[in-house]
Amino acid sequence: DIQMTQSPSSLSASVGDRVTITCRASQTIDNYLNWYLRKPGRAPKLLISAVSSLQTGVPSRFSGSGSGTDFTLTITFLQPEDFATYYCQQSYATPYTFGQGTKLEIK
Amino acid sequence: QVQLVQSGVEVKKPGATVKVSCKTSGYTFTDYGISWVRQAPGQGLEWVGWINPNNGNTDYAQIVQGRVTMTTDASTSTAYMELTSLTSDDTAVYYCARDVPPVWGSDSWGQGTLVTVSA
Repeated sequence: DIQMTQSPSSLSASVGDRVTITCRASQTIDNYLNWYLRKPGRAPKLLISAVSSLQTGVPSRFSGSGSGTDFTLTITFLQPEDFATYYCQQSYATPYTFGQGTKLEIK
Repeated sequence: QVQLVQSGVEVKKPGATVKVSCKTSGYTFTDYGISWVRQAPGQGLEWVGWINPNNGNTDYAQIVQGRVTMTTDASTSTAYMELTSLTSDDTAVYYCARDVPPVWGSDSWGQGTLVTVSA
């Protein structure tokens, strides 16, 4: 199975800050990398697919980059609604494994 | 709009079987895959498996291999996940989700079904 390692596991930031979350795959996954936002009691929401393709309706303050095995999610100018848990997922090969999550908290 | 509506809460005893349904609407059912993902209490997201509604092909995670069966009913645009020989480790919220090309991210999700396994 492909292992996905996210860092950090938790992060404290303030409204207006810029944050970066990283995700490393245990082998190359081409561009088969997705990012999800998860709020308590809610289903995950797909933010970005194929490394950097923003889903319809997702604000442009979210961006993704990377290639091969190393990927990043960047959120600029944090808004109150952005404080949640973020997961990366590889869809290169089954099982489509997720990272362990990064909990973004208000400082 | 695209909607996935799952069946309700389930409480089962160890060794029992659970079947969760996921009724879809708002798109052509056979054009997209359906993944099942679960989240146990205090844990992260775990991919359980995937089904292609167009041809019934499936792919299951090793953790449930041999105990899970995913099926679809194109006449009602509904996907099903059946899990047998339940243990407390299967206690989780189970989600169905629509997978979209080109990289098969899951762009629409059901509301989740809590399955509790307890004696």
